[in-house]
Amino acid sequence: AQSVAQPEDQVNVAEGNPLTVKCTYSVSGNPYLFWYVQYPNRGLQFLLKYITGDNLVKGSYGFEAEFNKSQTSFHLKKPSALVSDSALYFCAVRDSNRDDKIIFGKGTRLHILP
Amino acid sequence: SAVISQKPSRDICQRGTSLTIQCQVDSQVTMMFWYRQQPGQSLTLIATANQGSEATYESGFVIDKFPISRPNLTFSTLTVSNMSPEDSSIYLCSVDPSSGSYGTQYFGPGTRLLVL
Repeated sequence: AQSVAQPEDQVNVAEGNPLTVKCTYSVSGNPYLFWYVQYPNRGLQFLLKYITGDNLVKGSYGFEAEFNKSQTSFHLKKPSALVSDSALYFCAVRDSNRDDKIIFGKGTRLHILP
Repeated sequence: SAVISQKPSRDICQRGTSLTIQCQVDSQVTMMFWYRQQPGQSLTLIATANQGSEATYESGFVIDKFPISRPNLTFSTLTVSNMSPEDSSIYLCSVDPSSGSYGTQYFGPGTRLLVL
């Protein structure tokens, strides 16, 4: 079965520093990968996705993610963190073996320290 | 994209009662999904609700406990029946406007349920 793993429960970054939230995937075939963000007491918001093409995907709020096939990774990045980036981040993959349903990672809580 | 609203946004219920959650989308979509997110946890898919067919439930979820209606292409309801404290969660509806072709799912704001 397709899956994603987020190895860090929490990431702390000082405001203004670059941030990385890690995600690795396990899929058979071509991976369709997503990042979502959940702000406190809010639903999930779509950030970006990788389907095919350029390995560097740019998304909302200045975020980007790099698809690395050899390392089976899809890490989320931002060059300069903002306090408002503090939220819960989910990596997800479409499971082609389950009618393309989206499977979510367990989430990584990002704290940006002022 | 799609704009999704849910009602109620939160509720506190007594055990043994039922709650119906409404999901309204601003455009016609074929594929709608219902998820549960328990406190501090990831999202778990409850069922897929496509208009014109019976909802398809994931392993561990049954229609008697979580009946779903999908009367048209912009609306769905999820009922949490005979509630127990273990049902305390955030319930989210989601749509895929592209009908699944490498598409993106968009989520409603969620319904925060506390069962006493």
